[in-house]
Amino acid sequence: AQKVTQAQTEISVVEKEDVTLDCVYETRDTTYYLFWYKQPPSGELVFLIRRNSFDEQNEISGRYSWNFQKSTSSFNFTITASQVVDSAVYFCALSDILTGGGNKLTFGTGTQLKVEL
Amino acid sequence: DTGVSQDPRHKITKRGQNVTFRCDPISEHNRLYWYRQTLGQGPEFLTYFQNEAQLEKSRLLSDRFSAERPKGSFSTLEIQRTEQGDSAMYLCASSRGANEKLFFGSGTQLSVL
Repeated sequence: AQKVTQAQTEISVVEKEDVTLDCVYETRDTTYYLFWYKQPPSGELVFLIRRNSFDEQNEISGRYSWNFQKSTSSFNFTITASQVVDSAVYFCALSDILTGGGNKLTFGTGTQLKVEL
Repeated sequence: DTGVSQDPRHKITKRGQNVTFRCDPISEHNRLYWYRQTLGQGPEFLTYFQNEAQLEKSRLLSDRFSAERPKGSFSTLEIQRTEQGDSAMYLCASSRGANEKLFFGSGTQLSVL
């Protein structure tokens, strides 16, 4: 069975600090996708990144970066120079291919990030 | 893209009543998903449509739950004889294709009293 573990329940940082959110996953599939979503207080899940299991290159997008290590089944997310607007719950998710090519995501329990002035 | 739209945003009902939620996906997205999220947890998959066909249902989806997507456009999720355990945020998402990113709506928060 698929499983995603986000061990950090809540993280508090001061603005401009760097912060890393951890994600560890379990799957028997050889092909899969990993995702990060952000959920601000408004409730809508906002897509941040999708990475397939064959691509272990780290990725940087502005202040965001992702470190995918298949050997340790981890897909960690770093925010550089955090800002108050980064405050949200962040979810890591793992895909499972469904009949017809659909995409069932197994989510972790989320990490609440609080960035304070 | 106008985004995934869900209605209503909030629903309060008494135990035993039936409720229905609506989801309008992004146009041209042929895949539509329903997820449920309880407090402090990540969303859990409920069911999935490709066009008008409901292709998969989670074991979480008891027989009191039914979802439809007539004509492959909007979808409805109905819960019959609601129970307090049904209280949750019901999220709808759509995607253009297989393994494409899911766009989520803002959800319908259901409170069963």
